[in-house]
Amino acid sequence: SYVLTQPPSVSVAPGKTARIACGGNNIGGKSVHWYQQKPGQAPVLVVYDDSDRPSGIPERFSGSYSGNTATLTISRVEAGDEADYYCQMWDSSNNHPVFGGGTKVTVL
Amino acid sequence: EVRLVESGGGLVQPGGSLRLSCAASGFTFSNYSMNWVRQAPGKRLEWVAYITSSSSTIHYADSVKGRFTISRDNPKNSLYLQMNSLRAEDTAIYYCARTQGAAYGYWGQGTLVTVSS
Repeated sequence: SYVLTQPPSVSVAPGKTARIACGGNNIGGKSVHWYQQKPGQAPVLVVYDDSDRPSGIPERFSGSYSGNTATLTISRVEAGDEADYYCQMWDSSNNHPVFGGGTKVTVL
Repeated sequence: EVRLVESGGGLVQPGGSLRLSCAASGFTFSNYSMNWVRQAPGKRLEWVAYITSSSSTIHYADSVKGRFTISRDNPKNSLYLQMNSLRAEDTAIYYCARTQGAAYGYWGQGTLVTVSS
């Protein structure tokens, strides 16, 4: 089945920019969605359809992709952004969604 | 405000059964397809099952096919997951999640299922 690969961890200083990659074969052309999950809490959708933000999500969160990699960018990182981030897309060959392994963002 | 509240989790022996419920409020439940997604301790999210708004289409992950049954009661604004023949690897937090296109726009707080003797 389709596999989405994320780096296990990313560290970033407050006020700087964090970039989280999500790679997969032929990911281009497929919609990618991103979730933030803080410890002990449910996931929250922060970006959907590659680059759209749900209402209430700060503009600091943005999505993009190039080639076989989708990227979630968090600008002007704050301490409250410390969380696990998961990418997700639809595996049309198996007709079910697939999640990446998650990236732990640590704010230094 | 959209609210999803799961219940029914607990400790069960291998081979046992459990029924999870998800109470929905703050939106027209009968207009949305719904899902169960689980997360084993320290692991990635794993989609479990999907049901359309009218229950006309249902899909399951291969890992639960034949053992789990998703259903819904629209007048009661409720989603269910009947879990039979439970295994240790089914131990996880189970979330109900509302479909938003191909994403999951709203999640409940989850209910913990532990399969152990």
